[in-house]
Amino acid sequence: DTEVTQTPKHLVMGMTNKKSLKCEQHMGHRAMYWYKQKAKKPPELMFVYSYEKLSINESVPSRFSPECPNSSLLNLHLHALQPEDSALYLCASSQVGTSPSTDTQYFGPGTRLTVL
Amino acid sequence: GEDVEQSLFLSVREGDSSVINCTYTDSSSTYLYWYKQEPGAGLQLLTYIFSNMDMKQDQRLTVLLNKKDKHLSLRIADTQTGDSAIYFCAESPGYSTLTFGKGTMLLVSP
Repeated sequence: DTEVTQTPKHLVMGMTNKKSLKCEQHMGHRAMYWYKQKAKKPPELMFVYSYEKLSINESVPSRFSPECPNSSLLNLHLHALQPEDSALYLCASSQVGTSPSTDTQYFGPGTRLTVL
Repeated sequence: GEDVEQSLFLSVREGDSSVINCTYTDSSSTYLYWYKQEPGAGLQLLTYIFSNMDMKQDQRLTVLLNKKDKHLSLRIADTQTGDSAIYFCAESPGYSTLTFGKGTMLLVSP
């Protein structure tokens, strides 16, 4: 099973709302990722969690707050977003190993976020 | 820094072969990946190749790697309309880092 699931599929929110995106995997992966993808662009890395600890934060604004409650779940809490934050938010997971062979990332279907 | 370049667009007829090319600059790249993204969907891992390999074949897909020229290609045999999508080349030196190219839009016409 190489499935990463994300909910919701679509989300429309106002700039004053608080919402959360959820990601789940049951592949036993211990690294999980959030990416942001604008139309016709490649994904941009936002955050990396390794063994449930935040290991990479790519200078993302604090209105995005990640959380990894356990090894299977990854959340992205959203607050006071701007219209330019509208994008496809992708979650991915991979093993964490001592060699690059374990680092293949598997992506979820994404959440399409629209900020009004 | 790392850089991955791809041509932006490729158009082929159904039944023809498609070849999507990619060049990268990071000589420490250990793994090279091809991902497929259909409209409104996430990224689907198609295949990957280790830097110590020259070629990898998986059904209709053939990946060729020229490590000296840092050139990677993806050949899709007997291309079908369902293969229409954006194809991303990505490289990794390992350890949770992926650098993506800008993506090649493949359009397959009947």
